Amino acid sequence: KAGVTQTPRYLIKTRGQQVTLSCSPISGHRSVSWYQQTPGQGLQFLFEYFSETQRNKGNFPGRFSGRQFSNSRSEMNVSTLELGDSALYLCASSPDTGSPYEQYFGPGTRLTVT
Amino acid sequence: AQSVAQPEDQVNVAEGNPLTVKCTYSVSGNPYLFWYVQYPNRGLQFLLKYITGDNLVKGSYGFEAEFNKSQTSFHLKKPSALVSDSALYFCAVRDEGRDDKIIFGKGTRLHILP
Repeated sequence: KAGVTQTPRYLIKTRGQQVTLSCSPISGHRSVSWYQQTPGQGLQFLFEYFSETQRNKGNFPGRFSGRQFSNSRSEMNVSTLELGDSALYLCASSPDTGSPYEQYFGPGTRLTVT
Repeated sequence: AQSVAQPEDQVNVAEGNPLTVKCTYSVSGNPYLFWYVQYPNRGLQFLLKYITGDNLVKGSYGFEAEFNKSQTSFHLKKPSALVSDSALYFCAVRDEGRDDKIIFGKGTRLHILP
């Protein structure tokens, strides 16, 4: 099975712009979660989608949004970019939602905001 | 609120020696505990998890972890370290029955010295 894929892998944007990141989960996986990874804050949960519905949300401002499509592919959008949004954004999928399931991570999208 | 702590930012171990990476957690319900590893420029890879049952959990690459309910700990161990084990290790917890967000620790960088 193909793993989780994320596009693009690298992105450079300027402050004030917006960006859309894409994630394709493992075939058959219906849950997709997004994380922000920075050296200072570690791995922080953004949101989780399951069957096109946002199931959980982390403590991020409304500039961060996401959605999931009927084929389980997911996108996240960040509007009005700030320098502090520079990070590695990781997508993870799991077969189902709920506690016992481990997650399978993509390689990430490295976003640099200048 | 649930939380997870990895008290050591970095651990250095000589090749061939046993290694331990520490993790403590706080949840109000039953914990589901996970360990992930991240190699440079890669996403996270699942190592092992504790859901219920035996306190000693065996995972990938010869790693194991011991669940200790009284000490609220889930330390990662390996009897004999390899240089290739050098990576960033994350502990994560989910609180069964609560809002079910997964919370990651800040990570511990493991250096195995040849």
